[in-house]
Amino acid sequence: QPVLTQPPSSSASPGESARLTCTLPSDINVGSYNIYWYQQKPGSPPRYLLYYYSDSDKGQGSGVPSRFSGSKDASANTGILLISGLQSEDEADYYCMIWPSNAWVFGGGTKLTVL
Amino acid sequence: EVQLVESGGGLVQPGGSLRLSCAASGFTFSSYSMNWVRQAPGKGLEWVSYISSSSSTIYYADSVKGRFTISRDNAKNSLYLQMNSLRAEDTAVYYCAKSTSTWGQGTLVTVSS
Repeated sequence: QPVLTQPPSSSASPGESARLTCTLPSDINVGSYNIYWYQQKPGSPPRYLLYYYSDSDKGQGSGVPSRFSGSKDASANTGILLISGLQSEDEADYYCMIWPSNAWVFGGGTKLTVL
Repeated sequence: EVQLVESGGGLVQPGGSLRLSCAASGFTFSSYSMNWVRQAPGKGLEWVSYISSSSSTIYYADSVKGRFTISRDNAKNSLYLQMNSLRAEDTAVYYCAKSTSTWGQGTLVTVSS
């Protein structure tokens, strides 16, 4: 079972925004970790999108549009990937990841459908 | 251009062994930690193993500890994963990854009789 909880599916219409969440267990403080986000389309390897630690410590993957952004909701112990101006090509699986001291830990992934 | 090319996958019987390789180019391989990540058919991502740039630090997922061995040859710009005592549940596409940001295309390992 993944330690990080992601909704199995999400949907939105073209031009709208999609907010994908990644909830950490209560014993892991989201404020202490970089949250990494990956996009994966069928038959392709995961593509690194970005990481988010704070507004002053974040990074965008090479060639990743600025309409992909990260944030955190500390009250919900959750990392967030916001995709604005949805396009049909954004339809994919999205995975979050954290890197505690000795392992990468992935969420179970969210399948985003662009209606 | 950064490139990671995995090889060595294939069909192997339960209990068998396989050695995966990952050829790196386009960056200073010896400066970066590397990881193996796998993805079972239709499933999510599972981290397998980590090796530091100098090979001084190595970690494994509990699911492969004692059966898999990660190694690297910085002179050959190559990463390896020796997989022994393979099980059906090890069937997956295996990706090598440079830090968190760059992944190869993957190589499929199928464990079946």
